[in-house]
Amino acid sequence: DAGITQSPRHKVTETGTPVTLRCHQTENHRYMYWYRQDPGHGLRLIHYSYGVKDTDKGEVSDGYSVSRSKTEDFLLTLESATSSQTSVYFCASGGPPNWFSGNTIYFGEGSWLTVV
Amino acid sequence: TQLLEQSPQFLSIQEGENLTVYCNSSSVFSSLQWYRQEPGEGPVLLVTVVTGGEVKKLKRLTFQFGDARKDSSLHITAAQPGDTGLYLCAGAENQGGKLIFGQGTELSVKP
Repeated sequence: DAGITQSPRHKVTETGTPVTLRCHQTENHRYMYWYRQDPGHGLRLIHYSYGVKDTDKGEVSDGYSVSRSKTEDFLLTLESATSSQTSVYFCASGGPPNWFSGNTIYFGEGSWLTVV
Repeated sequence: TQLLEQSPQFLSIQEGENLTVYCNSSSVFSSLQWYRQEPGEGPVLLVTVVTGGEVKKLKRLTFQFGDARKDSSLHITAAQPGDTGLYLCAGAENQGGKLIFGQGTELSVKP
């Protein structure tokens, strides 16, 4: 398994407060991703990064920001948490999107966030 | 926006039956991946298909990429209770690093 860890694994927070989730990988992967998973929606891409300080929006980026100051760390911030952001958040990392060489994306174990 | 439609969303079958899960899009992808996810864990990659018409086999699982690289299917032969889980397809966009997922198929195989 790739060395990818998420923290915190579980968090309950109040509406309106900022929340930061951390993803740490030890594989020197260039690409990192944040997804949220909700019933009936599969995994929806929030933001992704293709290098240090290089990020781009995904399908559901409103209300979220990200930062990547080091290769190994990718932070997801909920600027002002809302109940609709209650979800399971997955981080992933992988090599360049040279899918022809079969590069694999590895997922963390998820962060369960409840906004009350 | 590239979208992947996966069907069916739920599938409950008896041990020994065969099944097929479909993943369709109106967009062309450079490759399609299939993942399996257990409760409480992150998805794990099963296979990547990259060439139109490509067929890959993984024991009782057969994966196919459509000729136009817009769709894919996963066929399981003689399903077993250990196959129970959430199956996700994901498409890699032609340029850039986005990986877009379908809604998933929740498979339950009863003994």
